[in-house]
Amino acid sequence: SQTIHQWPATLVQPVGSPLSLECTVEGTSNPNLYWYRQAAGRGLQLLFYSVGIGQISSEVPQNLSASRPQDRQFILSSKKLLLSDSGFYLCAWSLGREGGEQFFGPGTRLTVL
Amino acid sequence: DAKTTQPTSMDCAEGRAANLPCNHSTISGNEYVYWYRQIHSQGPQYIIHGLKNNETNEMASLIITEDRKSSTLILPHATLRDTAVYYCIVDRQGAQKLVFGQGTRLTINP
Repeated sequence: SQTIHQWPATLVQPVGSPLSLECTVEGTSNPNLYWYRQAAGRGLQLLFYSVGIGQISSEVPQNLSASRPQDRQFILSSKKLLLSDSGFYLCAWSLGREGGEQFFGPGTRLTVL
Repeated sequence: DAKTTQPTSMDCAEGRAANLPCNHSTISGNEYVYWYRQIHSQGPQYIIHGLKNNETNEMASLIITEDRKSSTLILPHATLRDTAVYYCIVDRQGAQKLVFGQGTRLTINP
């Protein structure tokens, strides 16, 4: 069966510090991968998605970036965090032919102080 | 741009059926209706999806009107653990991006 891992579960970072969140998927090959953010009391916002290694599409201009160095690894990064980057970050995967069914990880709650 | 309209919140008594409506009057012929839910502090969970026929699985039933302009998610015997935000999403099967609106906050009361 497929599983998706995210870490860390929670993170508190000062403004201006770098960020690296990691997501890995097990039990499937060539998945589509997604990063979402959910600000407090808000809906989910798609940040990035990837259909293959090295292929990243950005949905919202921001100071975040994403990379996919391996088939089942998706990384969200920032060089300098802003207060507005606080939120609940969720990674998800899907299979290309069934893209509507996305499976989400447990999330990382990021607080920027 | 969300293509669906849902009530902001609903209440339901434990053990009763919870019926969550969704309007999607601009749905295209190749677009499916998907339902997800998000329990507090967790990632969203896929529930069910359908094109035009009614669908049922172990979690819920999905009733789509004949003109496909609206649908209803039915939780047949709601429990306290069904308290969550429920999202109705319209998109093509195989589409890369799902657009999550604000959803319906369903509260199951004892």
